[in-house]
Amino acid sequence: GDSVTQMEGPVTLSEEACLTINCTYTATGYPSLFWYVQYPGEGLQLLLKATKADDKGSNKGFEATYRKETTSFHLEKGSVQVSDSAVYFCALSDNTNAGKSTFGDGTTLTVKP
Amino acid sequence: DTGVSQDPRHKITKRGQNVTFRCDPISEHNRLYWYRQTLGQGPEFLTYFQNEAQLEKSRLLSDRFSAERPKGSFSTLEIQRTEQGDSAMYLCASSWTTNTGELFFGEGSRLTVL
Repeated sequence: GDSVTQMEGPVTLSEEACLTINCTYTATGYPSLFWYVQYPGEGLQLLLKATKADDKGSNKGFEATYRKETTSFHLEKGSVQVSDSAVYFCALSDNTNAGKSTFGDGTTLTVKP
Repeated sequence: DTGVSQDPRHKITKRGQNVTFRCDPISEHNRLYWYRQTLGQGPEFLTYFQNEAQLEKSRLLSDRFSAERPKGSFSTLEIQRTEQGDSAMYLCASSWTTNTGELFFGEGSRLTVL
């Protein structure tokens, strides 16, 4: 079945440091890929998405590129802020199965001033 | 309507009791999903509805779990004879048919079984 493996945390960075959270996936079809973010005390919300190979999703300074050859969708940001502290989930949606999504276990990011 | 709402947000119950959670999706969304999340893990799929039809159930959903969406609007998830292993966050999400799999989540209902 489909699966998502993401970088184990927690990750602690200083403000303005560069961020990379690795994510790789296994899927039988051609999934869409997502990063969701969960801020403290809030529900999961979509951060960015990519629906086909070589697409780049971006939002709030975060980027991720759909790499079919390496089955990866790594999340990057050039300069993190304290407000980016959250849990980040990589996910895929099998477009042949009514949009059911499979999630990674999440990576907790803490950014210190 | 600004998002998916879930009720109650927290539920503490004793082992063996029944509990019911309610989810109100975004009004124009025809798909509704239930997920379960335990500490340190990502959401795990339980079941989903398209309109009022329950189209898929995970093997995680034992016979003690039942979900309904009677009029294709709100949904309920009932757990009968709760066990300590049922303690988790129960997440509801909704979407519409033509999107690319993006889910809109509620804030979740946290269940603690004593």
